[in-house]
Amino acid sequence: GENVEQHPSTLSVQEGDSAVIKCTYSDSASNYFPWYKQELGKRPQLIIDIRSNVGEKKDQRIAVTLNKTAKHFSLHITETQPEDSAVYFCAASIRPQLSGGYNKLIFGAGTRLAVHP
Amino acid sequence: GAVVSQHPSWVICKSGTSVKIECRSLDFQATTMFWYRQFPKQSLMLMATSNEGSKATYEQGVEKDKFLINHASLTLSTLTVTSAHPEDSSFYICSAVYRVRTDTQYFGPGTRLTVL
Repeated sequence: GENVEQHPSTLSVQEGDSAVIKCTYSDSASNYFPWYKQELGKRPQLIIDIRSNVGEKKDQRIAVTLNKTAKHFSLHITETQPEDSAVYFCAASIRPQLSGGYNKLIFGAGTRLAVHP
Repeated sequence: GAVVSQHPSWVICKSGTSVKIECRSLDFQATTMFWYRQFPKQSLMLMATSNEGSKATYEQGVEKDKFLINHASLTLSTLTVTSAHPEDSSFYICSAVYRVRTDTQYFGPGTRLTVL
């Protein structure tokens, strides 16, 4: 079945350094790739997303790159701050079984990012 | 915009009882909502897709008779865990698609269910 692999599972960086999280997906039909940040006990929050017709997208300190040929995408956080510490999930869209429905998302296992002052 | 709420935020129940969780889109209409389950330190696992006015679509391995989903209006979907057992204890999160013809999902705050 479809799956999304995410690496690393944990990442520890010093404040100000960059952090990179990588994901690979299996379904070549996937066309939407969001990234979510989840703090302990809270809801996942969308931080950035990218569609398959774009290779890179940036929003301030956060950027996402997509390589459709290799079926992998990455999250880049620059100038990390302690408040960036959280679990980050990548996801890839999967077509619904019924036509006309919204794509569902398959999530990676998550990356626990710790930013040390 | 794109605010999704859930109620209750946490619930403790006895084994064998049923628990209903509500998911509401507060400032938009959501024809489709999704229900996820998240165990501690694990990822989000999709349980089912809830479509307004029609039957939910369940993921493989999810018992539809145990996890009843009703999407009676464009702003409300409910998940009922029937005959709950301790292994059903988990964090249940719903999400809703914000705009028509987009895939962006916005999540509710989650409901922590503990079955004794």
